[in-house]
Amino acid sequence: EAAVTQSPRNKVTVTGGNVTLSCRQTNSHNYMYWYRQDTGHGLRLIHYSYGAGNLQIGDVPDGYKATRTTQEDFFLLLELASPSQTSLYFCASSALTGGAPRDTQYFGPGTRLLVL
Amino acid sequence: QQQVRQSPQSLTVWEGETAILNCSYEDSTFNYFPWYQQFPGEGPALLISIRSVSDKKEDGRFTIFFNKREKKLSLHITDSQPGDSATYFCAASATGNTGKLIFGLGTTLQVQP
Repeated sequence: EAAVTQSPRNKVTVTGGNVTLSCRQTNSHNYMYWYRQDTGHGLRLIHYSYGAGNLQIGDVPDGYKATRTTQEDFFLLLELASPSQTSLYFCASSALTGGAPRDTQYFGPGTRLLVL
Repeated sequence: QQQVRQSPQSLTVWEGETAILNCSYEDSTFNYFPWYQQFPGEGPALLISIRSVSDKKEDGRFTIFFNKREKKLSLHITDSQPGDSATYFCAASATGNTGKLIFGLGTTLQVQP
């Protein structure tokens, strides 16, 4: 069973604050993804990466940066947090070569972020 | 513009009944359709998936019916159990699209005992 962990699980910050959300996967998956989940919008892709040092822009990237430091670790950065970024954030990983069935994404438990 | 649409938004069935969740899509290049199940407080988890070369995929009580011509699919949950109460997301992707999934807004299923 793929393992994806996220920290913190809950975070409160103020407008203009600096936030880093962390994700780690221990399954040597190539791809990692950051999503936000909001009522009425479902899951939307923010950024993704296919390996250490790589970053790809997702569908809702504005206001977010991301960095993939290792195969295992993917970080989401909010440098000037705004109330519109209050959301539930999920990290996911997938292996597109061998290993797990192609295209299957394994999700972490989520980080709930509140921006006051 | 929502590329993947789901209906109904919410659904309540009695234990033992069949729940039918619907999904449609716009992009004809989509060829992989996973359904994810999400319980409150957890991340989504893959439930069952189908590729566009098939018109049906079955896994226990869960079956996907796929109509490529109409760009529609449905998830049937037979003999529904209270433990099936969750939100179900239909998603889609295209080959060579780096695994990027487009999710629908979800259907929240409540199974009454």
